Amino acid sequence: GDSVTQMEGPVTLSEEAFLTINCTYTATGYPSLFWYVQYPGEGLQLLLKATKADDKGSNKGFEATYRKETTSFHLEKGSVQVSDSAVYFCALSAQGGSEKLVFGKGTKLTVNP
Amino acid sequence: DVKVTQSSRYLVKRTGEKVFLECVQDMDHENMFWYRQDPGLGLRLIYFSYDVKMKEKGDIPEGYSVSREKKERFSLILESASTNQTSMYLCASSLWGQGWETQYFGPGTRLLVL
Repeated sequence: GDSVTQMEGPVTLSEEAFLTINCTYTATGYPSLFWYVQYPGEGLQLLLKATKADDKGSNKGFEATYRKETTSFHLEKGSVQVSDSAVYFCALSAQGGSEKLVFGKGTKLTVNP
Repeated sequence: DVKVTQSSRYLVKRTGEKVFLECVQDMDHENMFWYRQDPGLGLRLIYFSYDVKMKEKGDIPEGYSVSREKKERFSLILESASTNQTSMYLCASSLWGQGWETQYFGPGTRLLVL
């Protein structure tokens, strides 16, 4: 079945460091790919998405590129801030599927001043 | 602004109690979902619904049921709560679409079963 694997955390960085959180997926066809973020004490909110190969999603300085050849959707940010501290979830929605999202296990990011 | 609300942020219940978790969305979305979130396991889908009175089992439906009598409301029911149902429960909704529609999440209900 469809699955998402993302790097295990926790990840701890200093402010202004470069961030990469790896995400790879297994799915038939051409799924849509998402990154969600969960700030402490809150629900999840969509950070960015890409719906076809080579698309780049971007938001709030974060970027991820849909790579079909490597089945990856890695999240990157050039300079993290303390306010980026959160749990990040990679997810996919299968092509022609039933609107369900399949989530990775989440990666906790802590950014220190 | 998009809004998904859940009836409680925190709940404490006793083993064997019947527990109702309520979720309401104000976006006229067709799809609604219930997930549970556990450390190290991420989010797992319990049930979802495409329309009023329709429901589909997710990946872990055992011990749960749902009700969708109105489009805006989706209830999760624990028929007889057990300690292994202690978890964070998240509700979400989305428009009917092609599978890439954004899911909007509520703030979550943290349930403790003693």
